[in-house]
Amino acid sequence: AQTVTQSQPEMSVQEAETVTLSCTYDTSESDYYLFWYKQPPSRQMILVIRQEAYKQQNATENRFSVNFQKAAKSFSLKISDSQLGDAAMYFCAYRSSNAGGTSYGKLTFGQGTILTVHP
Amino acid sequence: ETGVTQTPRHLVMGMTNKKSLKCEQHLGHNAMYWYKQSAKKPLELMFVYSLEERVENNSVPSRFSPECPNSSHLFLHLHTLQPEDSALYLCASSQDLYRSTDTQYFGPGTRLTVL
Repeated sequence: AQTVTQSQPEMSVQEAETVTLSCTYDTSESDYYLFWYKQPPSRQMILVIRQEAYKQQNATENRFSVNFQKAAKSFSLKISDSQLGDAAMYFCAYRSSNAGGTSYGKLTFGQGTILTVHP
Repeated sequence: ETGVTQTPRHLVMGMTNKKSLKCEQHLGHNAMYWYKQSAKKPLELMFVYSLEERVENNSVPSRFSPECPNSSHLFLHLHTLQPEDSALYLCASSQDLYRSTDTQYFGPGTRLTVL
C-alpha cells in the first residue's frame, strides 16, 4: 500500500517570503498523480496543484510550484511571496493512475502541515 | 450555488439520536465520496459512489449508512454513534472515478460532535 509522509507538523513564514513544505511517499508504481490540497480555517479543502508522475517538468500555479523528485519519491511545495491568505493546513496526496476498466485510484493523504503566515 | 456544498455545517447529537448529513455537488460529476477527518490523523476514506453505485465501503461501522439517490446528492445517515465518531466529515466529488486524470473537489465539511 502507498504511504504519504509530511514530516513537518507546523511551519511558519513571514509575509512576502518563500516557504517550502515537504512531502515524501512510498510506492512501487511508476505511473501516478500527486496533489497538494489547502485547508484554510473555513475547512474547505482546495486543490492547489497537481503533478503527473510521467511528466518531468515541475507543475506551477502562480505563486505555487513543486519540486518533484521521482527517484527520491519527494514532492515538495514551494510558496513564493507568501500572503496572509496562505495560512492553512496543507495536505499532500497520492493517487494511482487508473488502469481503466473497473479499477480506480484512491487518494492517500499525508498527515498535513499547518502553515502560519506572520505579517 | 457552485462547487460542493454540505449541510449542516455543525451538528451536535446524542448517542441515541438519528441524523443525516447531506452533500450536493453542482459540477456535473459522476463520483462522490465521504471522508472522515479526525484531529492529528490523515483523512480516512469511508465510502465511494460512482453513478449512484457504491464501489467502496472502507470497513466503516454499520452505524454509518450512506445513500446516493442520484449523481448530484450524497447522504450519510447516522445512528447510535459513539463519542469517538466526533470529527469533521468531508464530502468530495470527481468527474469520473475510472479516468486517470480524475481530481477530487471537496465540500466545506460538517463538524460532528457526539455527546
